[in-house]
Amino acid sequence: DAGITQSPRHKVTETGTPVTLRCHQTENHRYMYWYRQDPGHGLRLIHYSYGVKDTDKGEVSDGYSVSRSKTEDFLLTLESATSSQTSVYFCALSRTGANYGYTFGSGTRLTVV
Amino acid sequence: KQEVTQIPAALSVPEGENLVLNCSFTDSAIYNLQWFRQDPGKGLTSLLLIQSSQREQTSGRLNASLDKSSGRSTLYIAASQPGDSATYLCAVGFNDYKLSFGAGTTVTVRA
Repeated sequence: DAGITQSPRHKVTETGTPVTLRCHQTENHRYMYWYRQDPGHGLRLIHYSYGVKDTDKGEVSDGYSVSRSKTEDFLLTLESATSSQTSVYFCALSRTGANYGYTFGSGTRLTVV
Repeated sequence: KQEVTQIPAALSVPEGENLVLNCSFTDSAIYNLQWFRQDPGKGLTSLLLIQSSQREQTSGRLNASLDKSSGRSTLYIAASQPGDSATYLCAVGFNDYKLSFGAGTTVTVRA
């Protein structure tokens, strides 16, 4: 979807290094989300944001932090990457919460070696 | 905690056959239910969104039903085509901010 962009698309990093993934939107949507997708687990919510500087934890937030300093950008940071954080990370948008459906980015494939 | 289950995990059908994909959830107090399609190595594409007050939604060959009381949704794809081969994900909105996802059903339509 042209209104949501994730970067980088692929990244390989070493255990213990910090990593930041970026989600950028041009839709001016209020809600933004970070999910991870792993085989056998489906998609699991890491963190979400309901406005600038307003964020909250999802079900698998340990080891991750987020920031949203402006409407269009939502950053996900792995402070010290571990092999268990190897995954595909998806950003999603929603206009006024889940009632209006989600739009997903193309994903970032992260490998921690 | 809302649990979402999709059975079967994989399905293979010949072209032209109708597809029936099932989704069940444990907590009937939902806001909505959304079906997504995911192609290998790609993101999720929204197919249908059913609000909690609705019983079904239709788009072209796709029809999704919702029965909150029994905790079930079914996605029907009529006259399947090889291009329908993908993984189909069910997601339940159980409050205004979050979705709980099933693990998906991977569909293969044989030409």
